[in-house]
Amino acid sequence: GQSLEQPSEVTAVEGAIVQINCTYQTSGFYGLSWYQQHDGGAPTFLSYNALDGLEETGRFSSFLSRSDSYGYLLLQELQMKDSASYFCAVRDDTGGFKTIFGAGTRLFVKA
Amino acid sequence: GAVVSQHPSWVICKSGTSVKIECRSLDFQATTMFWYRQFPKQSLMLMATSNEGSKATYEQGVEKDKFLINHASLTLSTLTVTSAHPEDSSFYICSATDRVTAWETQYFGPGTRLLVL
Repeated sequence: GQSLEQPSEVTAVEGAIVQINCTYQTSGFYGLSWYQQHDGGAPTFLSYNALDGLEETGRFSSFLSRSDSYGYLLLQELQMKDSASYFCAVRDDTGGFKTIFGAGTRLFVKA
Repeated sequence: GAVVSQHPSWVICKSGTSVKIECRSLDFQATTMFWYRQFPKQSLMLMATSNEGSKATYEQGVEKDKFLINHASLTLSTLTVTSAHPEDSSFYICSATDRVTAWETQYFGPGTRLLVL
């Protein structure tokens, strides 16, 4: 089967750094993606890791360790607008090409 | 950037009626489109994968006769909820991948909120 685990909620203050972890179990693993979703809106793509290591895109970075089936999203210099849900997702080619999403982590950024 | 539109954004209907939701890729050709449903404060649940010109692949537990998917062109996929019932009320979101960037980057539509009375 396939499963992804991530914390349900994280709270941090403006300007801080927060790390959202994701562990996964899946066969046919190809890569780990991260999406952001504000309340009432659609998910937007943040990052994708196919290989081990850190990918940096502005204030957001994403890390993958394939041997540990683990990844994280790092958000730096937090802003109020970063309050949203963050989903990790894996591509899974078993039974067809599709993406499986984690349950999501709700990030609350406080002033 | 790649834009995906959905129409309608909101729909309220009576129980027993059918509702069609359109998903369009506006500035790229979508090799594959995905349909998800999402309940409040929950994750996205993949309903089906749709490739242009072929039958959709439904996830386990999703009734293909109830959720009809048509992907007639590289820019349009439709989801029809047939004989809708209150339990079908949900947020339906489509996404698409293009020929160039492939699966890693899914472009999501703004979603359609369905309320069945």
